[in-house]
Amino acid sequence: GNSVTQMEGPVTLSEEAFLTINCTYTATGYPSLFWYVQYPGEGLQLLLKATKADDKGSNKGFEATYRKETTSFHLEKGSVQVSDSAVYFCAPRGGVYSNASKIIFGSGTRLSIQP
Amino acid sequence: GAVVSQHPSWVICKSGTSVKIECRSLDFQATTMFWYRQFPKQSLMLMATSNEGSKATYEQGVEKDKFLINHASLTLSTLTVTSAHPEDSSFYICSARVVGGGPGELFFGEGSRLTVL
Repeated sequence: GNSVTQMEGPVTLSEEAFLTINCTYTATGYPSLFWYVQYPGEGLQLLLKATKADDKGSNKGFEATYRKETTSFHLEKGSVQVSDSAVYFCAPRGGVYSNASKIIFGSGTRLSIQP
Repeated sequence: GAVVSQHPSWVICKSGTSVKIECRSLDFQATTMFWYRQFPKQSLMLMATSNEGSKATYEQGVEKDKFLINHASLTLSTLTVTSAHPEDSSFYICSARVVGGGPGELFFGEGSRLTVL
């Protein structure tokens, strides 16, 4: 089955700083890759996704590129805002020998942006 | 995007009682829904896959007799925590997969926080 290793938090940055949250996965075949965000007191929301190698997912200024050669899907943002404070989850789904309906979540990275 | 609603958003109950949590897809049909459990500052743990009109599929280590799942219609799945104990206190989140939707896209409910006294 799939597994995922995500950068441990908490991560504290100043507003307008550059953000990278590392994520690497283990899977057989070509899983789809997702980043979900959980704002305080809320459920999860899909942030961005990529379904094949070299695809770049982007949303709200965040980007992540599907790197098959390094099995990575690092999340980046050039200039973070206080409103980006949340917990971010990396999640692979599908691939060979993996139930296509099941999504495996990373441990989550708590991001705190200081004004 | 599609909307998934959970009810109640939070509930407090006494030890030994049962609690039902509803998960509804408001503007789409979902043949498959998923139930997760999230402990404080931890990731989501998949508990079970709920399939409309059939029995749920439980993950290893999850007691099916304690966490009863019913998916009676294409828009509703329920999770009943039976004979709840303080260790069942947690944040329960459901998600739904859009019928005929793109690969892997799930929509999540806002979660239900259960506190067992």
